[in-house]
Amino acid sequence: EPEVTQTPSHQVTQMGQEVILRCVPISNHLYFYWYRQILGQKVEFLVSFYNNEISEKSEIFDDQFSVERPDGSNFTLKIRSTKLEDSAMYFCATSLGGLGGTQYFGPGTRLLVL
Amino acid sequence: DQQVKQNSPSLSVQEGRISILNCDYTNSMFDYFLWYKKYPAEGPTFLISISSIKDKNEDGRFTVFLNKSAKHLSLHIVPSQPGDSAVYFCAASGGWNYGGSQGNLIFGKGTKLSVKP
Repeated sequence: EPEVTQTPSHQVTQMGQEVILRCVPISNHLYFYWYRQILGQKVEFLVSFYNNEISEKSEIFDDQFSVERPDGSNFTLKIRSTKLEDSAMYFCATSLGGLGGTQYFGPGTRLLVL
Repeated sequence: DQQVKQNSPSLSVQEGRISILNCDYTNSMFDYFLWYKKYPAEGPTFLISISSIKDKNEDGRFTVFLNKSAKHLSLHIVPSQPGDSAVYFCAASGGWNYGGSQGNLIFGKGTKLSVKP
């Protein structure tokens, strides 16, 4: 069964460093999302991406964050200058349809900012 | 601002019995609801969904009920199995009615289900 994959599974970084989280979507899916879950809190929407541009972003997704799909396969989330409060699980999700389309999640990247 | 609420942080059920997980929402513009199951250190796994034009959807042991007037949905698992032990998340999406959203999901805080043998 096709699945969403994410790399790395874990990343430890120093505050102020840049990190890039990678996601390989299910091959025929067209809509891509990033979510995060801070320990003990709910899963929160960050950004949605369709047709090579951002469709929607939450207030969490500030200028320190960016997304792109540089080679038509990987979908990346970049955090330019990490902060302690960026420590969380980051989940990529993809769907075939955008409206009411079921989103399938990857296993997540655990990011720890020291 | 909790638009999707799961008021029970945990639920314990005996194997073979019914598990009922509840979810309430406040935004009447939501028109698509999903349940996800999550094990520790894994991503959420899709279980079952329901659109706002229906009041019930069934898939094997899992049934989701939607009561739009009460803004309430529930997930029934019958019979419950020890492998069902996980955190269950309710999520909602607004579709076009929700300001042109492309369908980003708003999650509840989750309910940890423990099924005892």
